[in-house]
Amino acid sequence: NAGVMQNPRHLVRRRGQEARLRCSPMKGHSHVYWYRQLPEEGLKFMVYLQKENIIDESGMPKERFSAEFPKEGPSILRIQQVVRGDSAAYFCASSPNAGSTYEQYFGPGTRLTVT
Amino acid sequence: DAKTTQPTSMDCAEGRAANLPCNHSTISGNEYVYWYRQIHSQGPQYIIHGLKNNETNEMASLIITEDRKSSTMILPHATLRDTAVYYCIVRVVWNTDKLIFGTGTRLQVFP
Repeated sequence: NAGVMQNPRHLVRRRGQEARLRCSPMKGHSHVYWYRQLPEEGLKFMVYLQKENIIDESGMPKERFSAEFPKEGPSILRIQQVVRGDSAAYFCASSPNAGSTYEQYFGPGTRLTVT
Repeated sequence: DAKTTQPTSMDCAEGRAANLPCNHSTISGNEYVYWYRQIHSQGPQYIIHGLKNNETNEMASLIITEDRKSSTMILPHATLRDTAVYYCIVRVVWNTDKLIFGTGTRLQVFP
């Protein structure tokens, strides 16, 4: 069973461009979580999605950021008009269900660099 | 805001037990304590979790105080490959499902 896959692994964007980060959850997992890690810091929760639904986006900046998890295909984290402060590692995790019984499995991350 | 505090760094000799403490004095009754580790900026790896009872699995043990305000995660026989940043985390599962990471403890295992 393949783990959580994220692509691209590294992404370079100029200020003002758009960044699209993709996350393919583990097979059978319908819950996806996005976290952001700034240099030398811990991970910060951004958004929690189930198939076709956003459950909790309390950690996501109100502007320029959006996330989706369509019925078919990967989850997408989209950052419009990127700024230097968006440079970070973005990690996706998935689980088969919500709740403490189910571990969140993390992908390898996408490292976004804004120049 | 982080709900946990941990020492910034710790050292441990190879083969000895590594005891990593964590304070979570504001944890709510339905929130779980989780431990993950991150090696070389890879994706975090699950270690162990608990609510109020002590827990043990093939990787580690978790000791939670009776008042739930602190806990200790124990790696029984540390190896060089256990060198990593260890995160003590509160998992909120009420009306959501999210991990709230602390700043982590950088554990260095030396020969």
